[in-house]
Amino acid sequence: DAGVTQSPTHLIKTRGQQVTLRCSPKSGHDTVSWYQQALGQGPQFIFQYYEEEERQRGNFPDRFSGHQFPNYSSELNVNALLLGDSALYLCASSLGQGITEAFFGQGTRLTVV
Amino acid sequence: AQKVTQAQTEISVVEKEDVTLDCVYETRDTTYYLFWYKQPPSGELVFLIRRNSFDEQNEISGRYSWNFQKSTSSFNFTITASQVVDSAVYFCALSEVNSGYALNFGKGTSLLVTP
Repeated sequence: DAGVTQSPTHLIKTRGQQVTLRCSPKSGHDTVSWYQQALGQGPQFIFQYYEEEERQRGNFPDRFSGHQFPNYSSELNVNALLLGDSALYLCASSLGQGITEAFFGQGTRLTVV
Repeated sequence: AQKVTQAQTEISVVEKEDVTLDCVYETRDTTYYLFWYKQPPSGELVFLIRRNSFDEQNEISGRYSWNFQKSTSSFNFTITASQVVDSAVYFCALSEVNSGYALNFGKGTSLLVTP
């Protein structure tokens, strides 16, 4: 049973560019949430997707957007990258908008130079 | 305002010692969930436990135990007879019904267990 998988594992982008991160949820899960973890900090909630719609959103600007596909996989897009967007981006999957415990992927380390 | 406070930034113990990681939370919801996650150097958050607000029973799983006290809004985590493999950053998190169950994490406690 595959757990939550994220791609790519590492990414280096230039300030101003756009990036897309991908996540496949754990088998049987229908909800995907994205978190940003800056170095030395706890993860911060970006948004949650359920039934292909954004259901909840944290305190992040519109430069952060996402999508969920019919197979429950998800993408996180960040436009106009800033140096401060450098972080570990974690995807979590759960069932029923988070009623069950969330399982995390290994994350994508994004570096903006 | 920080909803989850982990006052201990770093803890260092010698193998076989017991160690308790503190977590204090703040919520106005009557229905909520509390979590502990472990983050080893590889970066992946490993789920350890979830408790709901209606179940204050303490839980034990092997060398791990959790003490949930609503009266003090605390959900502390104890590792008995610590091992080097326990070295990691541990996060406490709160999930509230009114926030769509989004996880609100503390800043984490870095535990170092030395031989």
